[in-house]
Amino acid sequence: NAGVMQNPRHLVRRRGQEARLRCSPMKGHSHVYWYRQLPEEGLKFMVYLQKENIIDESGMPKERFSAEFPKEGPSILRIQQVVRGDSAAYFCASSPYSSGKNNEQFFGPGTRLTVL
Amino acid sequence: GNSVTQMEGPVTLSEEAFLTINCTYTATGYPSLFWYVQYPGEGLQLLLKATKADDKGSNKGFEATYRKETTSFHLEKGSVQVSDSAVYFCALSSGGSNYKLTFGKGTLLTVNP
Repeated sequence: NAGVMQNPRHLVRRRGQEARLRCSPMKGHSHVYWYRQLPEEGLKFMVYLQKENIIDESGMPKERFSAEFPKEGPSILRIQQVVRGDSAAYFCASSPYSSGKNNEQFFGPGTRLTVL
Repeated sequence: GNSVTQMEGPVTLSEEAFLTINCTYTATGYPSLFWYVQYPGEGLQLLLKATKADDKGSNKGFEATYRKETTSFHLEKGSVQVSDSAVYFCALSSGGSNYKLTFGKGTLLTVNP
């Protein structure tokens, strides 16, 4: 059973470009979460999605950032017009349920974004 | 709001030494507490968890006890191995948004032979 897949693992962008980060959840998981880890910081929650729905985007910057989890295909975190402050590791996690005893989140290896 | 403070790293130990990584928290309500481990090049893996006061989580020789009176969840292992070298994250979830994990900054552990 493959784990959570993220690609690319490393992404370099120049200021003003767009970054697209992809996450394929574990088989059978319909809940996806994105977290960001800035240098010297812990992981911080960004957004929680179910298939075709954004449930909670309270941790996501209001501008330039968007996320989707379509009916088919991976979840996408999109950052438009990147700035140097967007340089971070972005982690995706998935779970079979969102709450209750069996809501363990399984994490992918992360995408390390560097903005030049 | 919720927050987690864990011991600053890096921590360097010799094989078979005793490990403690301190973790304290601030949270509304009654949080669930977690320790995650991240091995080089991999994603975070749940190491252990505790969901109520005085619960002890344990896995792979690691233990942590949920102490409500001191708001702590310290990670311990009696005898570390080289293969335990990794980054360890303390985390919590609480309230109506209990899918939302709040993490500490992580502690890098290096175990030398």
